[in-house]
Amino acid sequence: DVKVTQSSRYLVKRTGEKVFLECVQDMDHENMFWYRQDPGLGLRLIYFSYDVKMKEKGDIPEGYSVSREKKERFSLILESASTNQTSMYLCASSTRWSPNYGYTFGSGTRLTVV
Amino acid sequence: SQELEQSPQSLIVQEGKNLTINCTSSKTLYGLYWYKQKYGEGLIFLMMLQKGGEEKSHEKITAKLDEKKQQSSLHITASQPSHAGIYLCGAHLREIQGAQKLVFGQGTRLTINP
Repeated sequence: DVKVTQSSRYLVKRTGEKVFLECVQDMDHENMFWYRQDPGLGLRLIYFSYDVKMKEKGDIPEGYSVSREKKERFSLILESASTNQTSMYLCASSTRWSPNYGYTFGSGTRLTVV
Repeated sequence: SQELEQSPQSLIVQEGKNLTINCTSSKTLYGLYWYKQKYGEGLIFLMMLQKGGEEKSHEKITAKLDEKKQQSSLHITASQPSHAGIYLCGAHLREIQGAQKLVFGQGTRLTINP
């Protein structure tokens, strides 16, 4: 069964900490995405990557950075966590060869910044 | 304002009743995806519609795409407790090629009362 795995289901971090959220997919997908989900706002795209070492800003990149050193791994970095970054973070992957199958999502990481 | 608007935002129905969720775009749709999310978890792909007039079904869930109205509907027949969750529509708002972000609606929270 194909999978997108996010390293943590729940995280609690302090304001100002550097936070790493990890995502690994085993489907050899080219494209990977980071979204955050907030009540009433739906999913909003933070960053995405269409190849190793490539990255593109999404709709709300401020306060975040990403790293894709290997095809299967896409990391989201909060350089200095703030309380307004408390949210559910969802990673997804897709392949350009089968867009009809949509995105495969991970189970999410619920981050609380205190 | 949202590029994809879902309605209703919340829905409570009696078990066994039918229900419909709508997703309306302010732009031309090039691909429309329906996902289901159980509370606090990742998104599960339900189906994808690409052509105007297209209709797909999976078990008791049917989705249709009205290209002229730039709208999709998700219909559940004889609802069951297992249908409870958050339903999200996602769409490509330009021609699909390569890596491309999905834009999402705010989600519809469905509760099934026994």
